[in-house]
Amino acid sequence: AQSVTQLGSHVSVSEGALVLLRCNYSSSVPPYLFWYVQYPNQGLQLLLKYTSAATLVKGINGFEAEFKKSETSFHLTKPSAHMSDAAEYFCAVSGRGNKLVFGAGTILRVKS
Amino acid sequence: GAVVSQHPSRVICKSGTSVKIECRSLDFQATTMFWYRQFPKQSLMLMATSNEGSKATYEQGVEKDKFLINHASLTLSTLTVTSAHPEDSSFYICSAHTGDTDTQYFGPGTRLTVL
Repeated sequence: AQSVTQLGSHVSVSEGALVLLRCNYSSSVPPYLFWYVQYPNQGLQLLLKYTSAATLVKGINGFEAEFKKSETSFHLTKPSAHMSDAAEYFCAVSGRGNKLVFGAGTILRVKS
Repeated sequence: GAVVSQHPSRVICKSGTSVKIECRSLDFQATTMFWYRQFPKQSLMLMATSNEGSKATYEQGVEKDKFLINHASLTLSTLTVTSAHPEDSSFYICSAHTGDTDTQYFGPGTRLTVL
């Protein structure tokens, strides 16, 4: 069975600072991994995904994530935070029948 | 590309009435659509998997007679909340899976309030 753990329900960074959102997964098969972002009262927008090609995945809005099999991690980073990055971020792993198993989410706050 | 719409975005209804929510993939065909429910400050909870032309598969604890799902075509799935009660008030989100990219794309969500 697949599972996802997101460390830190809330992360606060200053504008211009590095963003690091942590995600660890558990999967019995080679996983597909995703990061989604959700703005208030909206659906989820795909940021990036890993599908066993390059381990460093680049997404939209300057985000990227690195798949590390040895650490079972898929942390999301962005070199310089922008105020518009404030949102909730969900890490997910694809399981049986294309179902997604989501982490609990991390709320990113960006301080000016 | 890969746009999913939901209608309505917000609905308020009286207790005991039924509400239908539509989910459409606008620029791709989706053999599988998913329905989620999200409570305030929580993650998404998968309610059911909807496959075109067949019965939906419900997750454990989800009442199939209360949450009716129809997947009439490769671009449309509907969720009907029957005999709604205040505890059904929530944010409902659908997603559509495309085999081309093996990715789920999400709709904007529907906020249901039952009075």
